[in-house]
Amino acid sequence: EAQVTQNPRYLITVTGKKLTVTCSQNMNHEYMSWYRQDPGLGLRQIYYSMNVEVTDKGDVPEGYKVSRKEKRNFPLILESPSPNQTSLYFCASGRDRAYNEQFFGPGTRLTVL
Amino acid sequence: AQSVTQLGSHVSVSEGALVLLRCNYSSSVPPYLFWYVQYPNQGLQLLLKYTSAATLVKGINGFEAEFKKSETSFHLTKPSAHMSDAAEYFCAVLTVDSNYQLIWGAGTKLIIKP
Repeated sequence: EAQVTQNPRYLITVTGKKLTVTCSQNMNHEYMSWYRQDPGLGLRQIYYSMNVEVTDKGDVPEGYKVSRKEKRNFPLILESPSPNQTSLYFCASGRDRAYNEQFFGPGTRLTVL
Repeated sequence: AQSVTQLGSHVSVSEGALVLLRCNYSSSVPPYLFWYVQYPNQGLQLLLKYTSAATLVKGINGFEAEFKKSETSFHLTKPSAHMSDAAEYFCAVLTVDSNYQLIWGAGTKLIIKP
C-alpha cells in the first residue's frame, strides 16, 4: 500500500530534550516536506527536499533540522525543543515540488512542556 | 506575495443541503489551485486541483470547484451534503512567484447537521 508513515504519532517531551520525528514513504517520490499545523494558521512549511541530499528552508525553519540521506526517509529533528513548537506535524511526499498530488502522513502531535 | 483566504473558519450545513466553501487567492501570475480535505485524526488528501485546463474541476466524493479569474476565486461546492463530508477543508495556491511552494489557507471546518 502506498503510504507515508510517521513516528511517533504522539509525543510529550520537556524543553531542551532533543527529539526526532521519522518520516518514510514507499512511493519513490523525489519531493518531501514537513509542515506544522496550528489552529487558525493552516499549514506552514518547515523544510522541504527536492531529492537526496537536497534540502531547503520553508516558511518557519527556525528550531528545526532535517536530513535526506535516502530517498524514502526525511526525519525532522528538534535539537532543543521549546513550548512554542507544540503543534501537529505532517510529513508529505510527491513526485515533484507541488504540481502533482502531495501525499500526507497521519501526523505527529507534539507537546513540549 | 501570494495569499489564500478562506471565508469562515466553520461552516455548518444540514445533511442534503448545498455545500459552499469559499476560497479567494491573490496572485499576479496564473495560479495552480488545490483543495485538500482532512478527516478527523488523519492527514490531508487531495480533493481536486486546477492546473489551467478546464475552469470547472471535478474531484472526489462529488465535490467540484470553479476557477474564476476575474474574481480570483476557487470556491468548493457539493450539491448535497452527507454526514461523511464532515472534515476540515484547505485551499492552497502555487505559482512561480511562490517558488512553486504551496501557500495554504487557514482551513474551513465543515459541520453537517442531521
